[in-house]
Amino acid sequence: EAGVVQSPRYKIIEKKQPVAFWCNPISGHNTLYWYLQNLGQGPELLIRYENEEAVDDSQLPKDRFSAERLKGVDSTLKIQPAELGDSAVYLCASSLTGGADTQYFGPGTRLTVL
Amino acid sequence: GNSVTQMEGPVTLSEEAFLTINCTYTATGYPSLFWYVQYPGEGLQLLLKATKADDKGSNKGFEATYRKETTSFHLEKGSVQVSDSAVYFCALKARGNNRLAFGKGNQVVVIP
Repeated sequence: EAGVVQSPRYKIIEKKQPVAFWCNPISGHNTLYWYLQNLGQGPELLIRYENEEAVDDSQLPKDRFSAERLKGVDSTLKIQPAELGDSAVYLCASSLTGGADTQYFGPGTRLTVL
Repeated sequence: GNSVTQMEGPVTLSEEAFLTINCTYTATGYPSLFWYVQYPGEGLQLLLKATKADDKGSNKGFEATYRKETTSFHLEKGSVQVSDSAVYFCALKARGNNRLAFGKGNQVVVIP
């Protein structure tokens, strides 16, 4: 069974440029998560989707970050414009349901903003 | 709020040594507790979990016991291997809240 797929794995951009990350969850998983992981820190939730509905986006900086999960499968996380402090690893995870204990994580996208 | 605290700093030890990584938590009610592992270049993987007090989670020779009285969930392994080198994260999920709260993680380096 394929795991959570993320692309790109690495991205280097200049500040003020836009950037987008893509995630394909495990087939059949209704719940999708985006996490931010700063260097030396644990992941922090940005947004959680139940199917196509964002049910927890309280940690998403909505002035520059946006996300979508059209058709309740793939998801895209966007930053526009990027700032130096956005340099981090962006992780996507999925689970069968929101109440499920096990979340399956993708390998992440490492973003560097210059 | 809900939070997890892991011991500071990386852990370096020799092969076959005993490993302990401390984890304490703050949460309302009785959360579920988890250890995740991140091998180099890979995503986080669930290592083990415990959902109620005195439960012991175990996997791949690792163990952790849910201690309500000390609000702890320390990870242990009796004899580590070089392949156990990774970053280990303690996490909790409070009842009625589907958000995972992670600790900062501990880098473990096992030397042959």
